[in-house]
Amino acid sequence: EPEVTQTPSHQVTQMGQEVILRCVPISNHLYFYWYRQILGQKVEFLVSFYNNEISEKSEIFDDQFSVERPDGSNFTLKIRSTKLEDSAMYFCASSEGTGGRVLTFGAGSRLTVL
Amino acid sequence: GESVGLHLPTLSVQEGDNSIINCAYSNSASDYFIWYKQESGKGPQFIIDIRSNMDKRQGQRVTVLLNKTVKHLSLQIAATQPGDSAVYFCAEANSGNTPLVFGKGTRLSVIA
Repeated sequence: EPEVTQTPSHQVTQMGQEVILRCVPISNHLYFYWYRQILGQKVEFLVSFYNNEISEKSEIFDDQFSVERPDGSNFTLKIRSTKLEDSAMYFCASSEGTGGRVLTFGAGSRLTVL
Repeated sequence: GESVGLHLPTLSVQEGDNSIINCAYSNSASDYFIWYKQESGKGPQFIIDIRSNMDKRQGQRVTVLLNKTVKHLSLQIAATQPGDSAVYFCAEANSGNTPLVFGKGTRLSVIA
């Protein structure tokens, strides 16, 4: 069964450092997403990406965040200068379409900011 | 957005009993709903979905009920098994380009 893969599974970083989280979406999917989940809380939308551009982003996704699809297979989330409150699980997801389609999620990348 | 904090609503059921997990959604414009299951340390896994032109949909051991009048969604799990223990999230979207929005989770604990 096709799956979304994410690396690293866990990253520990110092406050102020840049972090890049990587995702390989399902190959025939066209829409890509990043969500985050602070420990014990609900899953929150960050950004959606289609046709090599951001289609929607939440208020969480400020100027410190960026996304990129550098090579046609990877989908990355960059946090330019991490803050303590960025500590969370970050989930990548992909879907065939939008507007009521199933999102397939990866296993997540745990980010710990010290 | 609103957050649950560290204390999720918890439902404890005996193995073999039926479970009902409820969800109140917020956006009356939403017309697509999904239930996800999240096991510890894993990403959300799709269970079942339903569109607003239906009020019931059945899968294998699971049934989703939608009441648009009161904006309520429920997930019924028949003959609950230990492997069903997880946090369950409902999520909503509409047929436009709005992203999937997750609701508060419910932790299901199955007592063997």
